[in-house]
Amino acid sequence: AQSVTQLGSHVSVSEGALVLLRCNYSSSVPPYLFWYVQYPNQGLQLLLKYTSAATLVKGINGFEAEFKKSETSFHLTKPSAHMSDAAEYFCAVSGRGGSEKLVFGKGTKLTVNP
Amino acid sequence: NAGVMQNPRHLVRRRGQEARLRCSPMKGHSHVYWYRQLPEEGLKFMVYLQKENIIDESGMPKERFSAEFPKEGPSILRIQQVVRGDSAAYFCASSPGSSGQETQYFGPGTRLLVL
Repeated sequence: AQSVTQLGSHVSVSEGALVLLRCNYSSSVPPYLFWYVQYPNQGLQLLLKYTSAATLVKGINGFEAEFKKSETSFHLTKPSAHMSDAAEYFCAVSGRGGSEKLVFGKGTKLTVNP
Repeated sequence: NAGVMQNPRHLVRRRGQEARLRCSPMKGHSHVYWYRQLPEEGLKFMVYLQKENIIDESGMPKERFSAEFPKEGPSILRIQQVVRGDSAAYFCASSPGSSGQETQYFGPGTRLLVL
């Protein structure tokens, strides 16, 4: 079975500060990993995904994430937070073969303070 | 290129009524997933369908819930005899293929409120 743990349901940063959102996964097979962002009352938008190519993945809006197999982690970072980054972020994992449903973490709500 | 469309965006039902949620996948996508988001929870997988077939319904409640994706028309998630615990946001996602690395594109969701 696969699972995702997102440490910190709420993260608050100042505008211009580093954003670090943590995600650890559990998977019995090599995983595919995803970060999605959700703005209030909207659907989810893909930020980036890891599919076993480069371990450092760059996404949209200046976000990136690094896959670390030894730590079973896929943390999301952005060097400098912008007010528009305020949203909820979800880490997800899927497997290989069969039904490729996404298993999501509980989400981290990011607040950006001026 | 239109994205995933869901309607209605908001749905209010009284206990015991039926709720029908519709999802039109992106053009060219034949794989549809339904997820449910409860307050303070992440999204939970419900069902995965291809045209005219249910591939994985391991996340569907055993009773009152059903889903279909007919040859023509949108995918439908149907909830019979709704209860207050069914109040949630229901999201549909579509993808062009079934490989785990395929991106799932999400619709805006249907927010169901059961009174």
